[in-house]
Amino acid sequence: QVQLVQSGPEVKKPGASVRVSCTASGYPFISFGISWVRQAPGKGLEWMGWISTYNGNTVYAQNLQGRVTMTTDTSTRAAYMDLRSLSSDDTAVYYCARDYGSGSPYYFDYWGQGTLVTVSS
Amino acid sequence: SYVLTQPPSVSVAPGQTARITCGGNNIGRKSVYWYQQKPGQAPVLVVYDDSDRPSGIPERFSGSNSGNTATLTISGVEAGDEADFYCQVWDTSNDHLVFGGGTRLAVL
Repeated sequence: QVQLVQSGPEVKKPGASVRVSCTASGYPFISFGISWVRQAPGKGLEWMGWISTYNGNTVYAQNLQGRVTMTTDTSTRAAYMDLRSLSSDDTAVYYCARDYGSGSPYYFDYWGQGTLVTVSS
Repeated sequence: SYVLTQPPSVSVAPGQTARITCGGNNIGRKSVYWYQQKPGQAPVLVVYDDSDRPSGIPERFSGSNSGNTATLTISGVEAGDEADFYCQVWDTSNDHLVFGGGTRLAVL
């Protein structure tokens, strides 16, 4: 069965960086993209960006351009999301999701369990 | 940027029909996706491409999309349907994926 397993919770200080990982199983990894979505406490869903697992092409949300980097490692079937210059506004649960779009973002048919990132001094 | 507008909350009695709307400029020209999120859980896709259901999603969940409004309809609402629901589209003009603000479904 399709599974996306994310890394554990993180606590970071303002100005620091964080890396969240997402390991996929149960399907051909390079046939689907990976999107990252975050959810601040008590708030709605915010799309952060998408990466093609086939060729590494990325599309980032404009408000995160320059602070976010998404990568994949096809040998380990893992996707990574790096976020820099953290502030308290970045405190959220971060989800990876299998994106049905292999060539561009589309929609999400499977989700990881979420990773809580807390930014606090 | 493209904006999707959802009502903050919808309330319905068990067994009745819930309709959750998602408004956007000419949204009928886009494909709409709907997710259900229960407290403490990751979202689950319940409708894709306006009106199709993934395997495992009950037939009680259906979608439609026309003009400036997309609608998720849940027939025969059950207590277990209580959740937040989000609509989503791809905004081709800005290369951006957009979520609606979410609607909390309360089963009275």
